[in-house]
Amino acid sequence: DAGVIQSPRHEVTEMGQEVTLRCKPISGHNSLFWYRQTMMRGLELLIYFNNNVPIDDSGMPEDRFSAKMPNASFSTLKIQPSEPRDSAVYFCASSLVRASNTGELFFGEGSRLTVL
Amino acid sequence: SQKIEQNSEALNIQEGKTATLTCNYTNYSPAYLQWYRQDPGRGPVFLLLIRENEKEKRKERLKVTFDTTLKQSLFHITASQPADSATYLCALGGLSGGSYIPTFGRGTSLIVHP
Repeated sequence: DAGVIQSPRHEVTEMGQEVTLRCKPISGHNSLFWYRQTMMRGLELLIYFNNNVPIDDSGMPEDRFSAKMPNASFSTLKIQPSEPRDSAVYFCASSLVRASNTGELFFGEGSRLTVL
Repeated sequence: SQKIEQNSEALNIQEGKTATLTCNYTNYSPAYLQWYRQDPGRGPVFLLLIRENEKEKRKERLKVTFDTTLKQSLFHITASQPADSATYLCALGGLSGGSYIPTFGRGTSLIVHP
């Protein structure tokens, strides 16, 4: 199995530019999560989707952040315009969530974003 | 406010000893608790899950305890090896948008010396 695939692995951009991060979840998983990891705040949940529908986006820091999941095999996280404080590692994770809702998360390798 | 606490200081131990990592939480009623391992530059990898009605779970050299009265989980690695060196994250399954979603602690770094 390929696992969760994220791209790009590294992105360096200038303040004000648009950034798009991409994620392909594991086939058959019904939930997708976007997390952000920094030294200061650890791993923070930004948004999660269930069956391609956004369920909780309360972790999205500002209107500059948006996420979409047009189909079961693809999701994007977009930052527009980007700011230096957005510099972090962004992780996508997928899971097969059942009624018991204790499904383990499968993480991608992350996208390291640096905004200059 | 809800808080998950893991020791921010690295845990240094000698190979062969048992490593014990702690996860404390406040203002949570988690349905479950998970432990993940994260290596530098990699995504977290799931290790173990323990439910709120379970006291202890084992998997090979790993053991997790869950005390909902103390609001604490302990994660043990017996016969530790240098390859066990990594950051270990605990995650609590809390209700969000009608589902139980993992919320992560900041992790504790474990360094096993040969």
